[in-house]
Amino acid sequence: TQLLEQSPQFLSIQEGENLTVYCNSSSVFSSLQWYRQEPGEGPVLLVTVVTGGEVKKLKRLTFQFGDARKDSSLHITAAQPGDTGLYLCAGGRRDSNYQLIWGAGTKLIIKP
Amino acid sequence: SQTIHQWPATLVQPVGSPLSLECTVEGTSNPNLYWYRQAAGRGLQLLFYSVGIGQISSEVPQNLSASRPQDRQFILSSKKLLLSDSGFYLCAWSGGDASYEQYFGPGTRLTVT
Repeated sequence: TQLLEQSPQFLSIQEGENLTVYCNSSSVFSSLQWYRQEPGEGPVLLVTVVTGGEVKKLKRLTFQFGDARKDSSLHITAAQPGDTGLYLCAGGRRDSNYQLIWGAGTKLIIKP
Repeated sequence: SQTIHQWPATLVQPVGSPLSLECTVEGTSNPNLYWYRQAAGRGLQLLFYSVGIGQISSEVPQNLSASRPQDRQFILSSKKLLLSDSGFYLCAWSGGDASYEQYFGPGTRLTVT
């Protein structure tokens, strides 16, 4: 059972376009993280959201946690080739003993 | 600041050979430690996690094992590798706080031939 559904699985767009990646669940999370991973490297934490409705911005990236803390989105404005990578969402739950529940990832390619 | 090291970076091993991957963390004490495996371009599969020295929990039945001989050292082992053990292995640590944030090492690319 995939507790965190991430979509789309793959996205290829032109430089300058906007995009949104979604992370959905039927479960409530105490916190949700977004990571970016480049080929051959470990994932790097981008942001953590913990409050329902919370919005955080990191330059051209906007992260939102759903009001019910069951879903999240990542919006990139004016995508750049440097945004290319695998984006992973992961959620923490009080009953998870500090393990994260991971989405399957969104492979993003930004073409110049 | 905290840093996490993994070695080796790449490894090519024949089927049936043993395996030992090492992970060490600096700059923090009593971290939670994790071993993951990742298929190409896909999400992470948790293999083992540890909340303290000698405390190992296994998430997936397989021919791999893990040990934590010291507070900031985590080792992934196998007595006999299978072809299906090929993949990208990642070690991560967390502070065990309510943020659940995990920080990853650079990974080991294992190819079993």
